[in-house]
Amino acid sequence: DIVVTQSPLSLTVTPGEPASISCRSSQSLVGGNGNDYLDWYLQKPGQSPQVLIYLGSNRASGVPDRFSGSGSGTDFTLKISRVEAEDVGVYYCMQAAQTPYTFGLGTKLEIK
Amino acid sequence: QVQLQESGPGLLKPSETLSLNCTVSGVSTSAASYFWSWIRQPAGKRPEWIGRIYNSGHTEYNPSLRSRVTLSLDTSENHLSLRLTSVTAADTAVYFCAGYYEYYDGTYPHAFHIWGQGTMVTVSS
Repeated sequence: DIVVTQSPLSLTVTPGEPASISCRSSQSLVGGNGNDYLDWYLQKPGQSPQVLIYLGSNRASGVPDRFSGSGSGTDFTLKISRVEAEDVGVYYCMQAAQTPYTFGLGTKLEIK
Repeated sequence: QVQLQESGPGLLKPSETLSLNCTVSGVSTSAASYFWSWIRQPAGKRPEWIGRIYNSGHTEYNPSLRSRVTLSLDTSENHLSLRLTSVTAADTAVYFCAGYYEYYDGTYPHAFHIWGQGTMVTVSS
């Protein structure tokens, strides 16, 4: 299985300040078509996960542009340019390059 | 509006068989653009992908569960099902059904962009 390692596991951020989450995989997530099969999900308290970023850097419709994804191969980053109160929850990266799909441990974002 | 709704027993005893259903509305499960998965999440832990099924009926399972799990799809009724045999306390989790959009046309995210609300399953004697 591909192991996905996230860091940090928790973040406490002042509103308006930036935040960054790292995700590293044990194997390259680049597919034969050149896409990076790494997605970012946010699970708000009591809710199902919702996709924020797909294929490494594509923002899903309706996701604020303060969220951005970057990286390729085995190293990826999710950045929030200015954290808002509604961004609290647990952020997961998930690799979809190979089954079984696997998730990182999650990063819990709290507001200071 | 696309919606997924899981349903199931809630509480089972060890060694019993878990059967869950997921009713899909707003999109056809026969659509070639999707495959359908079950994902579970123990309390406070990361999600675990259980497996996927295509409209053809083709399935792939997580090797950690392959010997006990069966996914099925009823395109006429537009619902998918999960069957997990010989459950133990380790199978206690919230179980989600989710739809993964496989096309690259930008209509939807190439990801699990549809999720059910999840159904809690507890295994206890």
